[in-house]
Amino acid sequence: GESVGLHLPTLSVQEGDNSIINCAYSNSASDYFIWYKQESGKGPQFIIDIRSNMDKRQGQRVTVLLNKTVKHLSLQIAATQPGDSAVYFCAENIKGGGADGLTFGKGTHLIIQP
Amino acid sequence: NAGVTQTPKFRVLKTGQSMTLLCAQDMNHEYMYWYRQDPGMGLRLIHYSVGEGTTAKGEVPDGYNVSRLKKQNFLLGLESAAPSQTSVYFCASSGLAGGKKETQYFGPGTRLLVL
Repeated sequence: GESVGLHLPTLSVQEGDNSIINCAYSNSASDYFIWYKQESGKGPQFIIDIRSNMDKRQGQRVTVLLNKTVKHLSLQIAATQPGDSAVYFCAENIKGGGADGLTFGKGTHLIIQP
Repeated sequence: NAGVTQTPKFRVLKTGQSMTLLCAQDMNHEYMYWYRQDPGMGLRLIHYSVGEGTTAKGEVPDGYNVSRLKKQNFLLGLESAAPSQTSVYFCASSGLAGGKKETQYFGPGTRLLVL
């Protein structure tokens, strides 16, 4: 099975509200986590990343929280806009795993209601 | 700076035909990757490369071959296409900073339909 997963396949929020997308991972050796946004017909676009020596990292309108105790990762989007509608994937990279690729979750489809 | 580009954007193949997907990056990244994405799924790693002249298998390598003859290019080959290889293929690249792997940047994807 996958080591990275998401709790909800679809999340619907009102425009202007804050969104929280969750992700659970099972590999305690993972040391690098990334959130990607994928719009229809496009490749994944980097949003924000966090390394395992941090608990929180902020970007523009986005915050990633990492709870290593319960192996949980979340993406918070402030004041959601129509352009935030997309599928959001969390991905992890295992420590010491060389340059091998990321392990992705299945994704959460964020729908912004007007 | 175009980032990661992929050609072709879309292709239809018949079962048994062969083809090569091309990925190019202009960021001087050491690492390059090929993923496939199927409906409702996350991306799965097919093959990757840690540098020019080197390749390695990922999670789902069967039925694919790759080559990295130049640092900026990573080719994905299907020798005998099967309907199960109908998918969207994404290439990605990443660099190193201070010994740590950096974020992977993705291309726009190639949509492949095998009949």
